[in-house]
Amino acid sequence: QKEVEQNSGPLSVPEGAIASLNCTYSDRGSQSFFWYRQYSGKSPELIMSIYSNGDKEDGRFTAQLNKASQYVSLLIRDSQPSDSATYLCAVNVRGGSNYKLTFGKGTLLTVNP
Amino acid sequence: DGGITQSPKYLFRKEGQNVTLSCEQNLNHDAMYWYRQDPGQGLRLIYYSQIVNDFQKGDIAEGYSVSREKKESFPLTVTSAQKNPTAFYLCASTTDMNTRTEAFFGQGTRLTVV
Repeated sequence: QKEVEQNSGPLSVPEGAIASLNCTYSDRGSQSFFWYRQYSGKSPELIMSIYSNGDKEDGRFTAQLNKASQYVSLLIRDSQPSDSATYLCAVNVRGGSNYKLTFGKGTLLTVNP
Repeated sequence: DGGITQSPKYLFRKEGQNVTLSCEQNLNHDAMYWYRQDPGQGLRLIYYSQIVNDFQKGDIAEGYSVSREKKESFPLTVTSAQKNPTAFYLCASTTDMNTRTEAFFGQGTRLTVV
């Protein structure tokens, strides 16, 4: 099983809809979870971080974490064409005596006007 | 302004050459990382370093080498042993590796073998 897995996509939604992005991870000891957005040819930028079970909201973005199910998701409400990008899930996974930041393959989101 | 600087932005390598990618940060972060990204793929970890003079192999370290002689700098050398080096390389840093801390990224170096 891969350490961090995302639904492969691509995902296409109409403008104004809710986009739902999902991620599962294999290390039960992971404590830190992140969602990054990456535009084509650019470096990733942090959208959300979440550390405790439940929901965390920031504007149009909501991150959800369920440690028992080893599942983290990102909801984008009122999707805009400018949200079209690749979304990367990142998890701090144990690597020997410390943790390493490990990424999923990403989900390409397209928001259609 | 604090941040991470990668150079060069574009790099061309001939077959059999070693090349070194630069990564400098002024965020006073302890941990630094190198990732490789291929088209349509996520980020794969090459090497990471928690403190000066110490570093660990990531998932795809073969054909790469690093050094961490200063806290601010974590250069990556792509050796001739790396058979398929054409990719987008990203350097990142975090406060440290064991707390709730986000990663900051440089702008990336796009390496092409010619």
